[in-house]
Amino acid sequence: DQQVKQNSPSLSVQEGRISILNCDYTNSMFDYFLWYKKYPAEGPTFLISISSIKDKNEDGRFTVFLNKSAKHLSLHIVPSQPGDSAVYFCAASVEGYQKVTFGIGTKLQVIP
Amino acid sequence: DAGVIQSPRHEVTEMGQEVTLRCKPISGHDYLFWYRQTMMRGLELLIYFNNNVPIDDSGMPEDRFSAKMPNASFSTLKIQPSEPRDSAVYFCASSHDRVGQPQHFGDGTRLSIL
Repeated sequence: DQQVKQNSPSLSVQEGRISILNCDYTNSMFDYFLWYKKYPAEGPTFLISISSIKDKNEDGRFTVFLNKSAKHLSLHIVPSQPGDSAVYFCAASVEGYQKVTFGIGTKLQVIP
Repeated sequence: DAGVIQSPRHEVTEMGQEVTLRCKPISGHDYLFWYRQTMMRGLELLIYFNNNVPIDDSGMPEDRFSAKMPNASFSTLKIQPSEPRDSAVYFCASSHDRVGQPQHFGDGTRLSIL
């Protein structure tokens, strides 16, 4: 039973446009959410996080939105760049605990 | 600063052989994690350690899998005997024991069991 779901295995976006990656979770105990980015032949790297006390967190071109009632979060990348082409993992945890549950990933392709 | 270091980067071996994957975490990190990545299941947590002590091994698939952390700078994940369905990319990650600190991943070991 996947507690963190990324239902879109892939997404293609034109350079300069917005990329929106979605994630749903089922465990209501989760209160801390993260996005990781992964390039081929490399390990995932941390991108951005959000605590459940917030509904938005922004870092440059990256913004994460959290809708607790819908158990849904999304990552917005504006504007998208070819270097953003990677697999994006959504992850969730209980704040204060180190155990993190990852989604299956969404492969983003930004077309020049 | 050196990141998480995993070895080997690639391993190809025959079914039934013992496989040992190695990890050196970032110095000063209190937690160490072993993950397995497959197309079907994404990134699965296998086991994690805090201060060299195993905390949760509920993700270890079978008794064929074992992990050790003899000291703060080294961990191994062993599969004995290996099977073709163990083929995957195995990642090691480490993190500080502070709220909100993300995990830092190594570049993984791509394991192929023939």
